[in-house]
Amino acid sequence: QQPVQSPQAVILREGEDAVINCSSSKALYSVHWYRQKHGEAPVFLMILLKGGEQKGHEKISASFNEKKQQSSLYLTASQLSYSGTYFCGTPREGAQKLVFGQGTRLTINP
Amino acid sequence: DAGVIQSPRHEVTEMGQEVTLRCKPISGHNSLFWYRQTMMRGLELLIYFNNNVPIDDSGMPEDRFSAKMPNASFSTLKIQPSEPRDSAVYFCASSLARLAQSQETQYFGPGTRLLVL
Repeated sequence: QQPVQSPQAVILREGEDAVINCSSSKALYSVHWYRQKHGEAPVFLMILLKGGEQKGHEKISASFNEKKQQSSLYLTASQLSYSGTYFCGTPREGAQKLVFGQGTRLTINP
Repeated sequence: DAGVIQSPRHEVTEMGQEVTLRCKPISGHNSLFWYRQTMMRGLELLIYFNNNVPIDDSGMPEDRFSAKMPNASFSTLKIQPSEPRDSAVYFCASSLARLAQSQETQYFGPGTRLLVL
């Protein structure tokens, strides 16, 4: 079953913060975050493997709440380069395959 | 490292024609994934291979789609006959799975943009 992302779209001014959520009705074993710029391939950001884990990449960080079956991606002091569509992917139990959410489109304006 | 290589980058064909998409995974990676992306359906996994063996093809839409991986450095996705609803961007991704069920980073190729008229 596909994880659900919220919001579907966000428009920010440069320097503002954003939070993107990813939730699942089934148990989460890990959460993968990707960013895709228009016309390009998805690019890996980070994997969270354990409940309670938090990671950071530049000014982008994420947390994983295993009990709540959700993960959140935090973008701090957003830059123009952060624009794109963000996807979370969650694996099926015992499998390598990822099921991706529908994506959250982030637009950063000057 | 060259990354995942896909060809062609763009393909325009007429309904009923055969289409073959090609992928070269990152050297040393043992898992390969084929995805399709459309506005309506998002990013969908079609099939994935581990050590050249198809593991899960439950995402393949119908018999018109087939995929092969004859060796560790090459895979094809074939659509025969093609239909307008197959128009999409097709991505190939590869990863290095250290264990059979390990969750590893997937590296995506640039994609093939397919338009079926």
